[in-house]
Amino acid sequence: AQSVAQPEDQVNVAEGNPLTVKCTYSVSGNPYLFWYVQYPNRGLQFLLKYITGDNLVKGSYGFEAEFNKSQTSFHLKKPSALVSDSALYFCAVRESPGGGNKLTFGTGTQLKVEL
Amino acid sequence: DADVTQTPRNRITKTGKRIMLECSQTKGHDRMYWYRQDPGLGLQLIYYSFDVKDINKGEISDGYSVSRQAQAKFSLSLESAIPNQTALYFCATSESGTSGFFGEQFFGPGTRLTVL
Repeated sequence: AQSVAQPEDQVNVAEGNPLTVKCTYSVSGNPYLFWYVQYPNRGLQFLLKYITGDNLVKGSYGFEAEFNKSQTSFHLKKPSALVSDSALYFCAVRESPGGGNKLTFGTGTQLKVEL
Repeated sequence: DADVTQTPRNRITKTGKRIMLECSQTKGHDRMYWYRQDPGLGLQLIYYSFDVKDINKGEISDGYSVSRQAQAKFSLSLESAIPNQTALYFCATSESGTSGFFGEQFFGPGTRLTVL
């Protein structure tokens, strides 16, 4: 069975500072990993994904994520946070082979970026 | 995402009532999903459908049923609503084939359901 853990319920960062939102996963096979963002009163929006290849994946809005197979992690990062980045962030995993195109989501991390 | 719409956006109902949440998409995707979101629990998969004739239970299907009326429409029903079904409900879609194989999903804006 596939699972995802987001160990931090909330992350607070000052604007202009780098941010990291942590995610670890567990799968039997190879992982397909995703980050989604949810703004208030909106559905989830896709940010980026790791399928294969380069361990550093770049996505929307200046976000990137680093896949680390030995640590089974896929942390979301941004070099310089903006107040507008404040939102709820979800990590998700799909197992390959198998998984049936079903994503398993983490419990979410609330990011607050303050001036 | 305006390509995936959900109606209603908000609904308050009473225990024991039947309620239907509807989802429509113009993305042309074969695959559709229903999730519920509860604070601190993330998203849990209720049902999913890979095409009109294929419907599958997710993690928490008890108390729910679905209907895939067409490629573009996927509705979720609560036959007899109970208070612990109070949650935010999301519909999502994804492609089939090579693109859909990687799992990227597109979400509607959500329906906030309150069962009194």
